[in-house]
Amino acid sequence: QITLKESGPTLVKPTQTLTLTCTFSGLSFNSGGMGVGWIRQPPGKAMEWLALFYWNDDQRYNPFLESRLTITKDSSKNQVVLRVTNMAPVDTATYYCAHTVDVLTGRFDHWGQGTLVTVSS
Amino acid sequence: DVQMTQSPSSLSASVGDRVTITCRASQNINNYLNWYQHKPGQAPKLLIYSASRLQSGVPSRFSGSGSGTSFTLTISSLQPEDFATYFCQQSYSTRLFTFGPGTKVDIK
Repeated sequence: QITLKESGPTLVKPTQTLTLTCTFSGLSFNSGGMGVGWIRQPPGKAMEWLALFYWNDDQRYNPFLESRLTITKDSSKNQVVLRVTNMAPVDTATYYCAHTVDVLTGRFDHWGQGTLVTVSS
Repeated sequence: DVQMTQSPSSLSASVGDRVTITCRASQNINNYLNWYQHKPGQAPKLLIYSASRLQSGVPSRFSGSGSGTSFTLTISSLQPEDFATYFCQQSYSTRLFTFGPGTKVDIK
């Protein structure tokens, strides 16, 4: 059974760096084609894909946000970490961690419950 | 980049109703289209992948169809637990995965 859980600050100030941790269980980065990534949803808006860390250590980023994003993996802790620099009020959103089972379909078959991050001074 | 739209943005329906939601892509995405169900405070749930393939464990009252730029999600007989928001996602462009804005299904 795959589980993912997001953790991190609920409130950050403008210009600060946000660090979010996804702690997972029941999945292995030894499985070809899989990945763990981050998706966010601003209040009242659509989901927005941010980044993915694939089984082969390939990292993919939303090209419109790439300069501000860093995704890393710590296999010893079963964690994937997302850093977002220069946070602004428009980055207020619920941030989700999600597992993609294969590159071919690009489907996210398991998600965390999400964590709401508010950007405010 | 591929833009996704959905219609309607919301609908009211009764238990037992047949419900159809449409998702459109701004360009041909073949069958690289996935559907999700999302309830407040919960993790989104994958229902359909590759436009028409039922994810394991999802009830058969859910079905998907379409290819190219137009897709539909159908719930054949709406159940009380189906009241939720449904959204689509294209995975044709792995440069940028994009999502539809969602369709909220509530009780009539």
